[in-house]
Amino acid sequence: DAKTTQPNSMESNEEEPVHLPCNHSTISGTDYIHWYRQLPSQGPEYVIHGLTSNVNNRMASLAIAEDRKSSTLILHRATLRDAAVYYCILRESGAQKLVFGQGTRLTINP
Amino acid sequence: GAGVSQSPSNKVTEKGKDVELRCDPISGHTALYWYRQSLGQGLEFLIYFQGNSAPDKSGLPSDRFSAERTGGSVSTLTIQRTQQEDSAVYLCASRAPLNTEAFFGQGTRLTVV
Repeated sequence: DAKTTQPNSMESNEEEPVHLPCNHSTISGTDYIHWYRQLPSQGPEYVIHGLTSNVNNRMASLAIAEDRKSSTLILHRATLRDAAVYYCILRESGAQKLVFGQGTRLTINP
Repeated sequence: GAGVSQSPSNKVTEKGKDVELRCDPISGHTALYWYRQSLGQGLEFLIYFQGNSAPDKSGLPSDRFSAERTGGSVSTLTIQRTQQEDSAVYLCASRAPLNTEAFFGQGTRLTVV
């Protein structure tokens, strides 16, 4: 499985945008980029995924570099409830399992 | 509709005992996954089911660990002769056919004393 690299932790303020980076320099052409987050004492929840184009949904936006070697998860206006560990995961098309790394622990300050 | 349900939510067992952890996936979800998460760590893949068969068991840490799924629905993860290093949160996830999003349960916190 191709590897991702994320900062161990990040901190931001409530109602400000948050940009969570992920490096995946060994990504292959068929790898999808997935983001999940894990709130305290809960199982992970899906956030967003993409292949080449930037993606938006109600939770977040995913900006994918043109060479696909990095991506950024964007929370447009952070709330205290967004405090969680965010995982960036590569999954090959047709592959079944998600391989989680250590993720980024996001702290939101009131 | 109900999400992925896991039981029990907490389990304390004595070293050497066997335990069974249960997962009820979302109805209609053919793919089912077991993960484990030790304190402060990321998620470690254990096993994947497609229907009742398990094409990927590569994450099971030893032969003390086994899992089955019946009727394409409920799955049971069994740990025999539990050890203290088995203490962790065991998470189950399910996914609908042709869908990308996996839905996780709240997990079972296993403590081996």
